[in-house]
Amino acid sequence: GAVVSQHPSWVICKSGTSVKIECRSLDFQATTMFWYRQFPKQSLMLMATSNEGSKATYEQGVEKDKFLINHASLTLSTLTVTSAHPEDSSFYICSARDHTGSGANVLTFGAGSRLTVL
Amino acid sequence: GNSVTQMEGPVTLSEEAFLTINCTYTATGYPSLFWYVQYPGEGLQLLLKATKADDKGSNKGFEATYRKETTSFHLEKGSVQVSDSAVYFCALSPFGNEKLTFGTGTRLTIIP
Repeated sequence: GAVVSQHPSWVICKSGTSVKIECRSLDFQATTMFWYRQFPKQSLMLMATSNEGSKATYEQGVEKDKFLINHASLTLSTLTVTSAHPEDSSFYICSARDHTGSGANVLTFGAGSRLTVL
Repeated sequence: GNSVTQMEGPVTLSEEAFLTINCTYTATGYPSLFWYVQYPGEGLQLLLKATKADDKGSNKGFEATYRKETTSFHLEKGSVQVSDSAVYFCALSPFGNEKLTFGTGTRLTIIP
């Protein structure tokens, strides 16, 4: 079946640095990917919709200059947390939609990336 | 706006027990409703879904019925197994399967 890989699965960084998280669709092409954020004991919150070859669409309240999203190819979207601060510590999850073949229109999630900012 | 409320966990049951995880929602129109499951170290996986009122989604022995009158989509299984231990998320989408709104998740642990 369709697989979405996130890397790194766990990252610790110092305050003020930037961190990049990758989301890859391993065996299908994804024109659309979604980025979510999850705080402890809270629900996943949609941050933005990543569209291949165009600008991401951000949800209300999400700072686009803080969370840079790049969807440069049909199999890769990246989320960069710029000038990270402790309040950015969270679990970031991506999902990708398979448009083709037997997996058409199926949404597949990555295992998530845990960011801890010291 | 849209929202999903599901019962807080953790839930611990013995093997072969009956499972219910409650989920209610608030939304305009007629959203699609989903249950996702997340096993340790893995991404969320679609467990079942229903797209209109009175639809019943089912998979792996789990069932949930779309109840518009009570705005609910409770997850049930008649006899749980240890392998069902996971975190279960209820979700809705007004746009098919995109831009999902999730509940907080319910951690289920089944003991032998």
